[in-house]
Amino acid sequence: QSVLTQPPSASGAPGQRVTISCSGSSSNIGSNTINWYQQLPGTAPKLLIYSNNQRPSGVPDRFSGSKSGTSASLAISGLQSEDEADYYCAAWDVSLNGWVFGGGTKLTLL
Amino acid sequence: EVQLVESGGGLVQPGGSLRLSCAASGFTVSSNYMSWVRQAPGKGLEWVSIIYRDGSTYYAGSVKGRFTISRDNSKNTLYLQTSSLRAEDTAVYYCVREPGTDWGRGTLVTVSS
Repeated sequence: QSVLTQPPSASGAPGQRVTISCSGSSSNIGSNTINWYQQLPGTAPKLLIYSNNQRPSGVPDRFSGSKSGTSASLAISGLQSEDEADYYCAAWDVSLNGWVFGGGTKLTLL
Repeated sequence: EVQLVESGGGLVQPGGSLRLSCAASGFTVSSNYMSWVRQAPGKGLEWVSIIYRDGSTYYAGSVKGRFTISRDNSKNTLYLQTSSLRAEDTAVYYCVREPGTDWGRGTLVTVSS
């Protein structure tokens, strides 16, 4: 059971927009910023969004993040085939003194 | 260019030990917060441990007392000493430069008799 809650799956057609939610508590998302990671099959996770809504260099602006209270979301617009991957949210938890992750959302293109 | 290369994984019997290493290049390990994150086969990500710039360390409850994170500044290398290994510790172990900026490719630890 993950500390942060994500839907196990999401889907969308090429070119469409999809959002992935992440729900936590006051000790993690409510107290700190959130990161989002993309994990392509057989590879290591890659930082997609940091500090709630910032994109590292090289990440397309099709990816955006937001946070409100103890929840956050990742939006992907203009879906492309290469976006098929697992997506994880993460936040520092002040009670556990460690990172907590969501269980991951598998994005499938229709 | 930042690189993180993990090594030291393998097959170990329950109750055994392994020392995982993460050789870093392109930055200084001691000037960064560094973590270990693991992923069991077919499962999600689980944070394991972190070492701060000042040397402070923290652990997930599932490994506390069994795992020890450390670094060798002269070798610019991060370590994870694991002991009393259990089947549920089977996972790919990733070395991470915080705040999640850079990840290694991981090293697989399999705990089985």
